[in-house]
Amino acid sequence: EAGVAQSPRYKIIEKRQSVAFWCNPISGHATLYWYQQILGQGPKLLIQFQNNGVVDDSQLPKDRFSAERLKGVDSTLKIQPAKLEDSAVYLCASSSAQWEKLFFGSGTQLSVL
Amino acid sequence: GIQVEQSPPDLILQEGANSTLRCNFSDSVNNLQWFHQNPWGQLINLFYIPSGTKQNGRLSATTVATERYSLLYISSSQTTDSGVYFCAVEDPYYGGSQGNLIFGKGTKLSVKP
Repeated sequence: EAGVAQSPRYKIIEKRQSVAFWCNPISGHATLYWYQQILGQGPKLLIQFQNNGVVDDSQLPKDRFSAERLKGVDSTLKIQPAKLEDSAVYLCASSSAQWEKLFFGSGTQLSVL
Repeated sequence: GIQVEQSPPDLILQEGANSTLRCNFSDSVNNLQWFHQNPWGQLINLFYIPSGTKQNGRLSATTVATERYSLLYISSSQTTDSGVYFCAVEDPYYGGSQGNLIFGKGTKLSVKP
């Protein structure tokens, strides 16, 4: 069974530039999550989708972050414009049902210079 | 919101030794998961264990929900066990009905050959 796929693996940008991350969840998983992990901390939820609808985006900085999950399968997370404090690993996870066992992708490490 | 505390923060073991990692949480939970983040950043779900005991090879976990703690046991440790172990619990007070998996700060394990 294929795992959660994410790309790119690494991204380096300058502040005020834009960046996008892509995620393809495990086949059949209805729930998709985007997490931000700052160095030395545990992951923090940014947004949760159930199929193609947003369940919770209360912790997403909406002035600069956006996410979509068209057709209820793969998802993109965008940052525009990026700030220095956005440097982190962005993790995508999926589960068969809300908050059931989560499976994570390998993440995108973002460095904002 | 719910507080999650993991101990010890750091642990160094000789290969072959056993260890116990602890996760304390401040309120009753219906969902608790243990994860291992390897040195390359990949998060692997070890257990979905809101209560009771589970075993998977050299790893086992026990959650005593009434006393608000969970333990992860690693026996006969190997160098490949190195990494950070996270406990995550569902916050019963977050977002009304949608829930949120809150991660602790993790226990960093180093297994020496």
